[in-house]
Amino acid sequence: EDQVTQSPEALRLQEGESSSLNCSYTVSGLRGLFWYRQDPGKGPEFLFTLYSAGEEKEKERLKATLTKKESFLHITAPKPEDSATYLCAVRNNFNKFYFGSGTKLNVKP
Amino acid sequence: DADVTQTPRNRITKTGKRIMLECSQTKGHDRMYWYRQDPGLGLQLIYYSFDVKDINKGEISDGYSVSRQAQAKFSLSLESAIPNQTALYFCATSDSWLPGQFFGPGTRLTVL
Repeated sequence: EDQVTQSPEALRLQEGESSSLNCSYTVSGLRGLFWYRQDPGKGPEFLFTLYSAGEEKEKERLKATLTKKESFLHITAPKPEDSATYLCAVRNNFNKFYFGSGTKLNVKP
Repeated sequence: DADVTQTPRNRITKTGKRIMLECSQTKGHDRMYWYRQDPGLGLQLIYYSFDVKDINKGEISDGYSVSRQAQAKFSLSLESAIPNQTALYFCATSDSWLPGQFFGPGTRLTVL
């Protein structure tokens, strides 16, 4: 069964304190692993897609990496505006998406 | 960004009532999806459609139905709402050549 597990459920950081979010997955034919950012009361906003192990993508303070079993979202020197829930999803070879339950990040000034 | 719109944004209804949630997009994407989000459970796929004549059930389709009226419109219906359908509902669009999905702002549905 295709599934995605994210950890931790919540993460509290001080401004400037770097850390990583984890996304573990099992999928029948990976056709992409996706990271989204979701702010309260809004729909998820697409950040990255990774397709194969070893691939990396960067955007500002965020860097996503992928292995055959998991993905990490590294946050370098976070700022309060990075506070949000970060969602991970996979697309399988039937073009269906499976989402994790997210990591709620809170960055304190 | 109003490329994907959902109406209504908030709805309170009673058990047994029929409810329709509507989604429209101006992105020209072929694929549309309905998701439900509950606290701690992430997004769960209800139905998805890859074109106007293609409708598929997701993980949690029981109690829901959909209609793809046009490429740009995808509606979700609750024929007889029940309290455990209280949740945040999102519509999303994508295309085969796109890296991810684009989500609407969501509809918060409360069933009393």
